[in-house]
Amino acid sequence: EIVLTQSPATLSLSPGERATLSCRASQSVSSYLAWFQQKPGQAPRLLIYDASNRATGIPARFSGSGSGTDFTLTISSLEPEDFAVYYCQQRSNWPQRTFGQGTKVEIK
Amino acid sequence: EVQLVETGGGLIQPGGSLRLSCAASGFTVSSTYMSWVRQAPGKGLDWVSIIYDGGSTYYADSVKGRFTISRDNSKNTLYLQMNSLRAEDTAVYYCAREQKPSGYYYMDVWGKGTTVTVSS
Repeated sequence: EIVLTQSPATLSLSPGERATLSCRASQSVSSYLAWFQQKPGQAPRLLIYDASNRATGIPARFSGSGSGTDFTLTISSLEPEDFAVYYCQQRSNWPQRTFGQGTKVEIK
Repeated sequence: EVQLVETGGGLIQPGGSLRLSCAASGFTVSSTYMSWVRQAPGKGLDWVSIIYDGGSTYYADSVKGRFTISRDNSKNTLYLQMNSLRAEDTAVYYCAREQKPSGYYYMDVWGKGTTVTVSS
């Protein structure tokens, strides 16, 4: 099983700051990686697919990068609605999918 | 508008059975892949099962042999039959549509989830 490790577990930032979230895979997943945002009591929302492509309707302040085993989600300038938990997910060993344990972005 | 609505969750004793439903609108479930994903209390996300447009089905090892995914095309509804339930199956269960924005499938639309609690 491919394990995804996200860091940090919690990121404390202020609105307007830049957020950088990391996701590391236990083996190469090529570019088959997605990022999801989840707010309390809500379903996850697809932000990024294929490591770097924004999903429909996702603001340009969200960007993804990386390939192989190391990936990054960057939020260029945090808006109040961006404070949430973010999960990475790999689809390299389809149809099995695994998620990281999540990074919580909280208001400092 | 594309929408998914899950129902059928509840409190069930260990060893019991439950069937979850996911009613879709705005698209046809049989025309794409559909998945179930669960989230235990305070935990992360776990993929559970998928059904292809052609009807093939796949399961996570943790539920294989106990859960069955299916759909009713006439009702445009996805199901998850859960048997031999265990305490560790306690979670919010989400259904999700799979689409391929780039040629590869990703879960692009999710329902709000239904809660399953397995406890005596």
